[in-house]
Amino acid sequence: NAGVTQTPKFQVLKTGQSMTLQCAQDMNHNSMYWYRQDPGMGLRLIYYSASEGTTDKGEVPNGYNVSRLNKREFSLRLESAAPSQTSVYFCASSDWGILNTDTQYFGPGTRLTVL
Amino acid sequence: GESVGLHLPTLSVQEGDNSIINCAYSNSASDYFIWYKQESGKGPQFIIDIRSNMDKRQGQRVTVLLNKTVKHLSLQIAATQPGDSAVYFCAENIGTSYGKLTFGQGTILTVHP
Repeated sequence: NAGVTQTPKFQVLKTGQSMTLQCAQDMNHNSMYWYRQDPGMGLRLIYYSASEGTTDKGEVPNGYNVSRLNKREFSLRLESAAPSQTSVYFCASSDWGILNTDTQYFGPGTRLTVL
Repeated sequence: GESVGLHLPTLSVQEGDNSIINCAYSNSASDYFIWYKQESGKGPQFIIDIRSNMDKRQGQRVTVLLNKTVKHLSLQIAATQPGDSAVYFCAENIGTSYGKLTFGQGTILTVHP
């Protein structure tokens, strides 16, 4: 049981390039999330998916798109990367609604640098 | 702005001491709180949670206290060990607001042998 996995672990992009960050969970959770974490700051929600087939914007969605491919997988796409998107990206999953709690379990992160 | 914040950005303790990490929240409607631990280069790891209908919850070496009157949350770590060195985040959720965990900035805990 690997929990939440993310690929790649590291990535360097040039301004204007595109890329997709991959996330998968094997806990059979309904809900998945993408966060970014900047130095000295907490986690900020980019997008989330309450269940397979649905996605919603979080606090900082501009410049990103997401796809909930199936129950296990939730990808984050940067169409035209900007230096302001240099950050560490975390994927998380939870079973919100089962116990009316939102304990989220996180992946190891993707460290992205945009030059 | 963020509704969850921390009083102290850094905390240094000696091995074996008890540690207390504090967190203030401003949204009185928040009804679920979580503490996460984040080690360098890793994702946040769930430590303990508490609902708003409780004042205290204990885990293994950790205790979370919730004071709704002053909107304050604390994490107590007993007999702190070097492996406890990490950044600790509190997060809050309003039960009716799906997916809306709000995280504080974090407290750096350093445990000296």
